[in-house]
Amino acid sequence: DAKTTQPPSMDCAEGRAANLPCNHSTISGNEYVYWYRQIHSQGPQYIIHGLKNNETNEMASLIITEDRKSSTLILPHATLRDTAVYYCIVRAHNTGTASKLTFGTGTRLQVTL
Amino acid sequence: GAVVSQHPSWVICKSGTSVKIECRSLDFQATTMFWYRQFPKQSLMLMATSNEGSKATYEQGVEKDKFLINHASLTLSTLTVTSAHPEDSSFYICSASARQGFTEAFFGQGTRLTVV
Repeated sequence: DAKTTQPPSMDCAEGRAANLPCNHSTISGNEYVYWYRQIHSQGPQYIIHGLKNNETNEMASLIITEDRKSSTLILPHATLRDTAVYYCIVRAHNTGTASKLTFGTGTRLQVTL
Repeated sequence: GAVVSQHPSWVICKSGTSVKIECRSLDFQATTMFWYRQFPKQSLMLMATSNEGSKATYEQGVEKDKFLINHASLTLSTLTVTSAHPEDSSFYICSASARQGFTEAFFGQGTRLTVV
């Protein structure tokens, strides 16, 4: 799996958009970009994933650059409950079986009043 | 999304005793489950891959005789920490994926183990 680089921490005011960047310059053509988050003392939670097109779901939007070497996770209206460590992970899909995840250090997002 | 349940959520045990942690997939069959360990202020580190009906695969540096993994059914994997010591105190997390259909991993809520 390709290596990812994320800033160690970010702050965001409640109600504002949180934009979390991730660099993955060595990503391969068959590798997807995944985002998970981990709220304190809980297991990680899946947020979103994409290959090359921008994606949006009820939690967030994922913007992937055209060269796929970086991406941004956008939480459109951050709340205090979004305070967590956000992990950007790059991996290929394995057909039929699960693939294990390699977690980096992630970005600690602190949402403040 | 699919639900993965871990039990117990936290446990305190004495040095030298063994502790069993259960990981269940509640609404799907998981042919593969993963066990992670997380020390305070650190990221998750994969310990082992648990495959239903076969032996687990351990990551380098993880003692298979100390961390016993059993995946006897498609909905249950267990991790037993044998002869626990204070340095085994950590947050243990499992994840599970279905044979087909799911492209994301689902995680349990984690188990906080404290060895005193």
